[in-house]
Amino acid sequence: DQQVKQNSPSLSVQEGRISILNCDYTNSMFDYFLWYKKYPAEGPTFLISISSIKDKNEDGRFTVFLNKSAKHLSLHIVPSQPGDSAVYFCAAGTGANNLFFGTGTRLTVIP
Amino acid sequence: DGGITQSPKYLFRKEGQNVTLSCEQNLNHDAMYWYRQDPGQGLRLIYYSQIVNDFQKGDIAEGYSVSREKKESFPLTVTSAQKNPTAFYLCASSPSNEKLFFGSGTQLSVL
Repeated sequence: DQQVKQNSPSLSVQEGRISILNCDYTNSMFDYFLWYKKYPAEGPTFLISISSIKDKNEDGRFTVFLNKSAKHLSLHIVPSQPGDSAVYFCAAGTGANNLFFGTGTRLTVIP
Repeated sequence: DGGITQSPKYLFRKEGQNVTLSCEQNLNHDAMYWYRQDPGQGLRLIYYSQIVNDFQKGDIAEGYSVSREKKESFPLTVTSAQKNPTAFYLCASSPSNEKLFFGSGTQLSVL
């Protein structure tokens, strides 16, 4: 059973607008959450993380929000750029040895 | 340049054959991991190793074997017992129990 779910397989956004990618998890013991970006035939690249003691973490154009009561996290990209077009994976767990990945959301940023 | 090198990029396996995927890192990370990605699915953990000469099974270890004789190297053998080996294999390393750094992957296909 999937412990981490990304229910939107794809998302298209106009350049300059906000991209919002969503992720849900089921295990309330999870205390560490990450987002990775992946281009075809390449390995995922770390984007941003958040621990359960926070509800928001920002890094430039990328912000991750965590709602522990809803077991939900989201990644906001503002403004979206064509180079952001990729597959985005969320991951949740209790550490690097115990991480569960979602199935990914393919983001397309339209110029 | 520091990083994780996986080879080969593409690999073909014949029925009944064992094949070995290479993973080398020069990041001086203690922990290394092998994940498998199938189309439309999240990454699934095969094996991980936190120190030299020690490794642990992940969620889908059946049909695979690993060794960790050197800190820099964590090869994965896909044995003939793995009946559905076609997938994209990702190696990762971690300096602590936090984020993973991934290699560029090996696509394994069955002839």
